[in-house]
Amino acid sequence: GQSLEQPSEVTAVEGAIVQINCTYQTSGFYGLSWYQQHDGGAPTFLSYNALDGLEETGRFSSFLSRSDSYGYLLLQELQMKDSASYFCAVKGQAGTALIFGKGTTLSVSS
Amino acid sequence: DAGVTQSPTHLIKTRGQQVTLRCSPISGHKSVSWYQQVLGQGPQFIFQYYEKEERGRGNFPDRFSARQFPNYSSELNVNALLLGDSALYLCASSPGPDETQYFGPGTRLLVL
Repeated sequence: GQSLEQPSEVTAVEGAIVQINCTYQTSGFYGLSWYQQHDGGAPTFLSYNALDGLEETGRFSSFLSRSDSYGYLLLQELQMKDSASYFCAVKGQAGTALIFGKGTTLSVSS
Repeated sequence: DAGVTQSPTHLIKTRGQQVTLRCSPISGHKSVSWYQQVLGQGPQFIFQYYEKEERGRGNFPDRFSARQFPNYSSELNVNALLLGDSALYLCASSPGPDETQYFGPGTRLLVL
């Protein structure tokens, strides 16, 4: 079967750095995406990794290691508005569905 | 540019009824995917359409059906509603079937 594992909750304080890990088990690999979702809102696309290495977009970075079936999302200079759920999602092969993890709830406190 | 739009935003139905949810993709996007998200879980894939053809279907019963129109908008239909169908239904569009998906705000369905 196909599955993604990520921590259910992470807490941090403003200004800190937090890393959200994602391990996946899929038949094939086409890319790893990260989405942010605030309560009741639409998932918002954050980043995409198809190849090994680090992708940086402002305060957010995403890393992928295909040999370890592992990726992470790194959030720097945390702000209160970063409190949300973060989902990793994998497409196993071209033409197949995007499979989501159960999400990680990030709580940022002052 | 307008993002993905969905209607209605909220809906209350009773068991056994039928519901139709609508989605308009981002201009220029030809692929639409539908997801069901229950509280505390990640979105679960229901359907993907590209150029009006069904490209994929998730593990949902035949009560769920969808279609895509020539203008690339899409409808999701659910028949014989069950209490367990209560969820946030999300539509996502992408330029092509394997490109980054952008989500709409969702339709929150409550089945009583």
